[in-house]
Amino acid sequence: AQKITQTQPGMFVQEKEAVTLDCTYDTSDQSYGLFWYKQPSSGEMIFLIYQGSYDEQNATEGRYSLNFQKARKSANLVISASQLGDSAMYFCAMREGLYGGSQGNLIFGKGTKLSVKP
Amino acid sequence: KAGVTQTPRYLIKTRGQQVTLSCSPISGHRSVSWYQQTPGQGLQFLFEYFSETQRNKGNFPGRFSGRQFSNSRSEMNVSTLELGDSALYLCASSDRFNSPLHFGNGTRLTVT
Repeated sequence: AQKITQTQPGMFVQEKEAVTLDCTYDTSDQSYGLFWYKQPSSGEMIFLIYQGSYDEQNATEGRYSLNFQKARKSANLVISASQLGDSAMYFCAMREGLYGGSQGNLIFGKGTKLSVKP
Repeated sequence: KAGVTQTPRYLIKTRGQQVTLSCSPISGHRSVSWYQQTPGQGLQFLFEYFSETQRNKGNFPGRFSGRQFSNSRSEMNVSTLELGDSALYLCASSDRFNSPLHFGNGTRLTVT
């Protein structure tokens, strides 16, 4: 079974509108972390936002916010006021065993390709 | 601070050869991880090094190996290259458990 599921292979959004990218996860760990990364065509993975399983507030970083629903095991990324430069692949990832597991081992979803239209 | 640096950016090798990729982490980061990214399999964890010791390993054959030096720089080696090893290889570093991984630009390996 997939541990990270991103059900939207591709999405289009109009410039200046908000968009939500879906991510559901599967883990039996109580302590875990959820991450979103952006990968432009250049290939570099750019960290966007992080949510720990014990964090009560949804994470926000500028135009990015993470809609964390623990009971539903979902961690959707919301991008407000989309810009042309937001066109890229977006990956949801999870680190299990946050304080005892592997620091460097992230489990990635298949990604969502976001295209921003002018 | 300088980011994660990977060299070279592009490599073309022939089946059966071996290749070494290099990664310099962000200064102060002791954990270095390697990932393989392909269109079919997506991003897959190869291994993680911390203080010159391999701390974790993904599900890859023994042809894939790595090491970390005392300055935290890391190398990854792939021996007896196969066509299926063609991929983008990403290196990432981090400084503590609940911090994100910071990735380099990757090395794009093509095996012909």
